[in-house]
Amino acid sequence: GESVGLHLPTLSVQEGDNSIINCAYSNSASDYFIWYKQESGKGPQFIIDIRSNMDKRQGQRVTVLLNKTVKHLSLQIAATQPGDSAVYFCAANDGNQFYFGTGTSLTVIP
Amino acid sequence: EAGVTQSPTHLIKTRGQQATLRCSPISGHTSVYWYQQALGLGLQFLLWYDEGEERNRGNFPPRFSGRQFPNYSSELNVNALELEDSALYLCASSLEAQRTQYFGPGTRLLVL
Repeated sequence: GESVGLHLPTLSVQEGDNSIINCAYSNSASDYFIWYKQESGKGPQFIIDIRSNMDKRQGQRVTVLLNKTVKHLSLQIAATQPGDSAVYFCAANDGNQFYFGTGTSLTVIP
Repeated sequence: EAGVTQSPTHLIKTRGQQATLRCSPISGHTSVYWYQQALGLGLQFLLWYDEGEERNRGNFPPRFSGRQFPNYSSELNVNALELEDSALYLCASSLEAQRTQYFGPGTRLLVL
């Protein structure tokens, strides 16, 4: 099976700084990855995804990096804003199901 | 375009009772997934339905079951409720099987 873990349960950053949230997975067969944002009392919201044939993908203020050699992916948020405060978690798919990490709680300090 | 909807938003039951949770996917999505999110834990996969069929189930006892209707909506049934079933139950849908999943707001189940 797959196990997905995030490196830090909590992260605090100053408003305007860049944030980096890291995630590790165990199954080399995982070929599709998604980052989600979950605000309190809400369902997870899709942020960005990446397939295993890529090592970098950029969105609006977000970048996902995938290192298949060490089975690691990261989410970078540029110019972090108070509205970015939430729990972020990654998901890895092996073709049969998604496996989710427990999440990193990001707090943005004004 | 409407997102994934779930009902009810909150549900309070007592031990031994049965709970039914409902989900409507995004229009055009045929795959529906159910997850349990207990406090402090990551999402745990429960069930995957596609085109009306159960395609995969997670490591949960048989008292967790569900179905998908011809209009692709789905319901999750939990029988013989136990205290540890208290959690947020999330439904997601995708256009392609095992690809980008979009989540609903969840149903918070409390078992007393």
